[in-house]
Amino acid sequence: DTEVTQTPKHLVMGMTNKKSLKCEQHMGHRAMYWYKQKAKKPPELMFVYSYEKLSINESVPSRFSPECPNSSLLNLHLHALQPEDSALYLCASSQGLLAAIYNEQFFGPGTRLTVL
Amino acid sequence: DAKTTQPPSMDCAEGRAANLPCNHSTISGNEYVYWYRQIHSQGPQYIIHGLKNNETNEMASLIITEDRKSSTLILPHATLRDTAVYYCIVRVSYNFNKFYFGSGTKLNVKP
Repeated sequence: DTEVTQTPKHLVMGMTNKKSLKCEQHMGHRAMYWYKQKAKKPPELMFVYSYEKLSINESVPSRFSPECPNSSLLNLHLHALQPEDSALYLCASSQGLLAAIYNEQFFGPGTRLTVL
Repeated sequence: DAKTTQPPSMDCAEGRAANLPCNHSTISGNEYVYWYRQIHSQGPQYIIHGLKNNETNEMASLIITEDRKSSTLILPHATLRDTAVYYCIVRVSYNFNKFYFGSGTKLNVKP
């Protein structure tokens, strides 16, 4: 199984709502990532988890709250978002983080988020 | 990480080779060149990577110049399904696997 799954595929939420994005992989990978992609722009790294611990936060606003409950799951909790947060949110995983010559990232299909 | 520069778009006839260039003039000795592509509304997909030698796999070939300041991704026989945005990424092997995507090249394969 070389697949990263993300749910939901589409999400529409108001600025006062609380919602969560979910990501799952069963490849035994110990590193997981969240990216944000605006229309016609490249993906931008948000968070990196290694062995279920947050390793990198790319100065993301606190209205985005990541969580890694176990090695297969990654969540992104959303609260009080702004319309400019509307984007495609991509999850990825890889075998690990450190000193790997070959460390391909496998991406999920993304969740398209619209904030009204 | 080194910055990459790619042309914003390219056209290619179906069945012909597609050659996608990437400049990474500030690359360091321990930085790898990765190529990913993103088909519309999908997540990015790994294609190939290399350090200094040319590489080939079932999807593509990667040609890296001797001074490593540029590279070319070659799709030998482009099909309509190869229409996508192609990203050239330079990554230090020990930097916690942080990928910084450049602006990419939109490849349009035409019948």
